[in-house]
Amino acid sequence: EIVLTQSPGTLSLSPGERATLSCRASQSVYSNYLAWYQQKPGQAPRLLIYGASSRATGIPDRFSGSGSGTDFTLTISRLEPEDFAVYHCQQYGSSPRTFGQGTKVEIK
Amino acid sequence: EVELVESGGGLVQSGRSLRLSCAASGFTFDDYSMHWVRQAPGKGLEWVSGISWNSVSIGYADSVKGRFTISRDNAKNSLYLQMNSLRVEDTALYYCAKRRGTAAAENFFDYWGQGTLVTVSS
Repeated sequence: EIVLTQSPGTLSLSPGERATLSCRASQSVYSNYLAWYQQKPGQAPRLLIYGASSRATGIPDRFSGSGSGTDFTLTISRLEPEDFAVYHCQQYGSSPRTFGQGTKVEIK
Repeated sequence: EVELVESGGGLVQSGRSLRLSCAASGFTFDDYSMHWVRQAPGKGLEWVSGISWNSVSIGYADSVKGRFTISRDNAKNSLYLQMNSLRVEDTALYYCAKRRGTAAAENFFDYWGQGTLVTVSS
């Protein structure tokens, strides 16, 4: 199975700053079938990005995804207070679907 | 509005069984594949099991194969997970999730429930 490694584990930033989250796969992700989810405490995960770079419905354009093959990035251009959360990447190109361990974006 | 509501979680001893349910609304349930994903305390997400719209295609994670059974009742807009021979390591928040669509490019989850907590004691 494909192992996804997210880094850093925790990112401490201030509102207005740029956040760059990494998701590295142990082998190439078929057709760049890579999704990103946001999860706030006590809430269900929320789909942000699919197909490595397509924003889900209603997701602000400050969120962007990029990358291909084994290296993917989620960028939040300017952090808003509501963006402090845990972010998970998931590959769905190979069975079984696998997730990264998550990156927590916390207020500095 | 899409809504997924899980129920059936609780505290159970190792070796016992539990049945989770997920009630779906706000979309045509029998058009979509449905899944269970779990999250152990302080850990990442783990896909557990999935079932196609017509129950023909079913899959399980190796960690639960032979112990868990997924099923659905399209007439009741409901998804189920029968969990037998529970282990301490099955302790987690269990989410019900809807697959975006039938195409390979849509094999991700666009809606999730709030989860139901399963705690397995030794």
